[in-house]
Amino acid sequence: AQKITQTQPGMFVQEKEAVTLDCTYDTSDPSYGLFWYKQPSSGEMIFLIYQGSYDQQNATEGRYSLNFQKARKSANLVISASQLGDSAMYFCAMRTTGFQKLVFGTGTRLLVSP
Amino acid sequence: GAGVSQSPSNKVTEKGKDVELRCDPISGHTALYWYRQSLGQGLEFLIYFQGNSAPDKSGLPSDRFSAERTGGSVSTLTIQRTQQEDSAVYLCASSFTTSNYEQYFGPGTRLTVT
Repeated sequence: AQKITQTQPGMFVQEKEAVTLDCTYDTSDPSYGLFWYKQPSSGEMIFLIYQGSYDQQNATEGRYSLNFQKARKSANLVISASQLGDSAMYFCAMRTTGFQKLVFGTGTRLLVSP
Repeated sequence: GAGVSQSPSNKVTEKGKDVELRCDPISGHTALYWYRQSLGQGLEFLIYFQGNSAPDKSGLPSDRFSAERTGGSVSTLTIQRTQQEDSAVYLCASSFTTSNYEQYFGPGTRLTVT
């Protein structure tokens, strides 16, 4: 079975600080992809970053980076220099070659304060 | 270019009525997915289409739910004899193929069954 676990229901960070959102996953498929999505209050899911299971380096996209620790089955999202506009729900998701659907975690609500 | 579009954005219906939700994927995307997000819940996979292959219906919660994709493009999700527990946001996503490409989501349809 494929499973994503996000243990932080809510996180608080001050503007310009860095924050790490945790994600652990479980799969027996050796080939998989890990995704992070942002869902602001408007409701739309916005793709942030992707990490493939065979990628040697951690993915980075601007202020977003993915701390991929394969042995620990973790794929934490790091947001550097937080901005007020980063306040949103963040979902970690996984897709395996055996199951093309995305399996989502329950999300983490991030609140960035001035 | 244009993103994934969904209509209507909001739908209020009486219990027992049928509803149709529409999704127009990004041009050129061969894979199309439907998900459901209930209040306080994560995202739940419903159904996925890839090209002309038979759809993966494994996430449909009951036989009241069905979906079709005409001409490999627009998709319609139909819910018959709606129940109050069907109230949720229905999200459509598309991607280039079923390999590890990110899925792009539409704005969703908020369905309320009274």
